[in-house]
Amino acid sequence: GENVEQHPSTLSVQEGDSAVIKCTYSDSASNYFPWYKQELGKRPQLIIDIRSNVGEKKDQRIAVTLNKTAKHFSLHITETQPEDSAVYFCAASGGGATNKLIFGTGTLLAVQP
Amino acid sequence: AAGVIQSPRHLIKEKRETATLKCYPIPRHDTVYWYQQGPGQDPQFLISFYEKMQSDKGSIPDRFSAQQFSDYHSELNMSSLELGDSALYFCASSLGPTGTYEQYFGPGTRLTVT
Repeated sequence: GENVEQHPSTLSVQEGDSAVIKCTYSDSASNYFPWYKQELGKRPQLIIDIRSNVGEKKDQRIAVTLNKTAKHFSLHITETQPEDSAVYFCAASGGGATNKLIFGTGTLLAVQP
Repeated sequence: AAGVIQSPRHLIKEKRETATLKCYPIPRHDTVYWYQQGPGQDPQFLISFYEKMQSDKGSIPDRFSAQQFSDYHSELNMSSLELGDSALYFCASSLGPTGTYEQYFGPGTRLTVT
């Protein structure tokens, strides 16, 4: 079935460093790849997304890249800040008749001040 | 900007009881999704509705049912509750059921079954 793998499961960086989270999806029909940030007990918050007709997208300190051939997509956060600490989920959708999201298993990012 | 509204925010039930969770999508959004998130887990898709019709179904137990009403709000009905149903239940809405529309999540309902 549809599956999204996410690595690493935990990531600790120093403030100001960059962080990279990688995901791989199984359904080649997927065409939409959002990233969500979730703080403990809070809702998943959409931070950036990319569609299959684009290879890269950037929004200030956050960027996402997509390699459709390899079915890989990645989140890049530069100049990390303590408030970036949270769980980050990648997701894939669009592989079927609906837009349901298949999530990765999450990455706990800790930014050390 | 208006966001997705969920009620109640917290719910405590005993085993074998029933629960009803409500979701009010962002205005003009016609598609609603329900997700279940266990402790330390990723959100799992349960079911979705578009224009009051079920559009997709995921790993939703037969004890659960849901519907979308004419005002586009949705309700998730859960019966014969089990301890394993304790989780965060999120509703998300989008403008359209297919393609690449963004999904925005509500604050969630924390269900605790004792």
